[in-house]
Amino acid sequence: GESVGLHLPTLSVQEGDNSIINCAYSNSASDYFIWYKQESGKGPQFIIDIRSNMDKRQGQRVTVLLNKTVKHLSLQIAATQPGDSAVYFCAENIYGGFKTIFGAGTRLFVKA
Amino acid sequence: EAGVAQSPRYKIIEKRQSVAFWCNPISGHATLYWYQQILGQGPKLLIQFQNNGVVDDSQLPKDRFSAERLKGVDSTLKIQPAKLEDSAVYLCASSLAVGEQYFGPGTRLTVT
Repeated sequence: GESVGLHLPTLSVQEGDNSIINCAYSNSASDYFIWYKQESGKGPQFIIDIRSNMDKRQGQRVTVLLNKTVKHLSLQIAATQPGDSAVYFCAENIYGGFKTIFGAGTRLFVKA
Repeated sequence: EAGVAQSPRYKIIEKRQSVAFWCNPISGHATLYWYQQILGQGPKLLIQFQNNGVVDDSQLPKDRFSAERLKGVDSTLKIQPAKLEDSAVYLCASSLAVGEQYFGPGTRLTVT
């Protein structure tokens, strides 16, 4: 069935280190993926997206990698800061983008 | 640019009571979404509107949940009657088209 899951429910990193958050998806028809960040008491906020015809996309301090062969997505955060502490969700768009399925999320803790 | 507005922010009701949530999307956004986010989980799509038409309501419990988007702008989500398992954060989001969604702060519902 359709599912988007995450390998690790929590991730703890030292301030200044790089963070890698992983996500597995199951629908090979998905053509668009988005990473969202959700801070406590707020709605999810867009971080970066990637289309299925790409395998890498970079933003400011963030990089998303897509491996369609193994249906795996990752979010890399460089020089992690305390403000990066939040829950991160990968989301999968299917049916031409008209349906979005969110994974369960990974909580990132940044230690000072 | 104003973001997605939701009200109320918090609501506590007893089971079998009714409740309604309101959402005002970003101006010009044709697509509006309602999500249910249970604690510790990712958002689950309840219903998606394109202007004032329903695109997807496959996961909306139609025996108790209803939603409308009159005039293709504001939207309301209603639960009648509420059950204990409806306790969650209800998120509204909007987008110009498929892709990046802009979320409101959510309404935290507690059913006792």
